[in-house]
Amino acid sequence: DIQMTQSPSSLSASVGDRVTITCRASQSTRTYLNWYQQKPGKAPKLLIYTASSLQGGVPSRFSGSGSGTYFTLTISSLQPEDFATYFCHQSYSTPHTFGQGTKLEI
Amino acid sequence: EVQLVESGGGLVQPGGSLRLSCAASGFTFSGYEMNWVRQAPGKGLEWLSYISNSGNTTYYAASVKGRFTISRDNAKNSLSLQMNSLRAEDTALYYCARGYTGGFDDWGQGTLVTVSA
Repeated sequence: DIQMTQSPSSLSASVGDRVTITCRASQSTRTYLNWYQQKPGKAPKLLIYTASSLQGGVPSRFSGSGSGTYFTLTISSLQPEDFATYFCHQSYSTPHTFGQGTKLEI
Repeated sequence: EVQLVESGGGLVQPGGSLRLSCAASGFTFSGYEMNWVRQAPGKGLEWLSYISNSGNTTYYAASVKGRFTISRDNAKNSLSLQMNSLRAEDTALYYCARGYTGGFDDWGQGTLVTVSA
């Protein structure tokens, strides 16, 4: 199974900050890497698919990059609604696996 | 508007069974791969199972293989997960999720399964 490791596990930031979350895979997932945002009591929401493609309706302050085993999610200027938990997800091979999550806090 | 609505969760004793359903609307269900994903209370996401748009291909996580069965009825726009031999560690919120270019672009609100004596 491909293990996905996110860092940091939690992150304190302020409105307007630029934030980067990293996700490392235990083996190459090519660009089959997706990012989700989850708020308390809500289902995850797809932000980025295939490493760098922005899902429709997602603000352009979110961006993704990487390939192989190293990926990043960047939020260019944090907004109040961005405080949430973020998960990476590899869909290169089954079983699909998720990172453990990064909780973004004020 | 895409809608996925899960149902069928509840309290079940260890060793028992449940059948979860996911009713899909707002899109051509037969054109999409579907998945089940769960989240234990306060924990991360765990992918459980995949089914192709035709239903001919399925995959499972090792943790549920042999106990859970995914299926779909394209005529009824419905996805199911039959869960047998349930364990305490299966306690979680269960989501159905639509596949899209590798990611899961739409999720239901989840249905809670609690396995306890």
